[in-house]
Amino acid sequence: AQKITQTQPGMFVQEKEAVTLDCTYDTSDPSYGLFWYKQPSSGEMIFLIYQGSYDQQNATEGRYSLNFQKARKSANLVISASQLGDSAMYFCAMRDFSGGSNYKLTFGKGTLLTVNP
Amino acid sequence: DGGITQSPKYLFRKEGQNVTLSCEQNLNHDAMYWYRQDPGQGLRLIYYSQIVNDFQKGDIAEGYSVSREKKESFPLTVTSAQKNPTAFYLCASSIPGQTYGYTFGSGTRLTVV
Repeated sequence: AQKITQTQPGMFVQEKEAVTLDCTYDTSDPSYGLFWYKQPSSGEMIFLIYQGSYDQQNATEGRYSLNFQKARKSANLVISASQLGDSAMYFCAMRDFSGGSNYKLTFGKGTLLTVNP
Repeated sequence: DGGITQSPKYLFRKEGQNVTLSCEQNLNHDAMYWYRQDPGQGLRLIYYSQIVNDFQKGDIAEGYSVSREKKESFPLTVTSAQKNPTAFYLCASSIPGQTYGYTFGSGTRLTVV
């Protein structure tokens, strides 16, 4: 069974500094995708970044980058130059492409990021 | 603009009553999903549907029911059998096989008193 672990319930960062949010995953399937979503206090889920298991390079999207370490089964999100608007809940999720249920995303419990001015 | 609409945003019901949460999408996505979110928890899958007139149970389907009579609509009924229905409910959709993730609605916060 798939499992996503986010060990940091909460994180604090100073504005303009970089922050890393941890995510480890567990799957026996060779084909999978890893996602990060942002959830502001309003509740909507905002897609940030995606990494495929066969991608050779780490994914980047603007100030977001994914530090993908396949052997360690980790997919940490790095936010550079933090902004006050980055304060939100962040979820790591995984999608397994190998099985019949390849449409499902499995989510971690999330990390609450607070950016201090 | 294409997107997913969940209504209402806030919903209050008395214990023992069934309640239906609406989810409509105009993205032409085949697959739709319902997730439940509790404080301090991640999202947990309730039901999902890959095509019209077909749906499967997720990890926490007990006490819930769904229908998928139209591609655009995937309503969720929270029945009186659901022992702890107060939660935040998120609907999502996707294109099957697409490598990217879901498009989410803005959620419905259900409070049962």
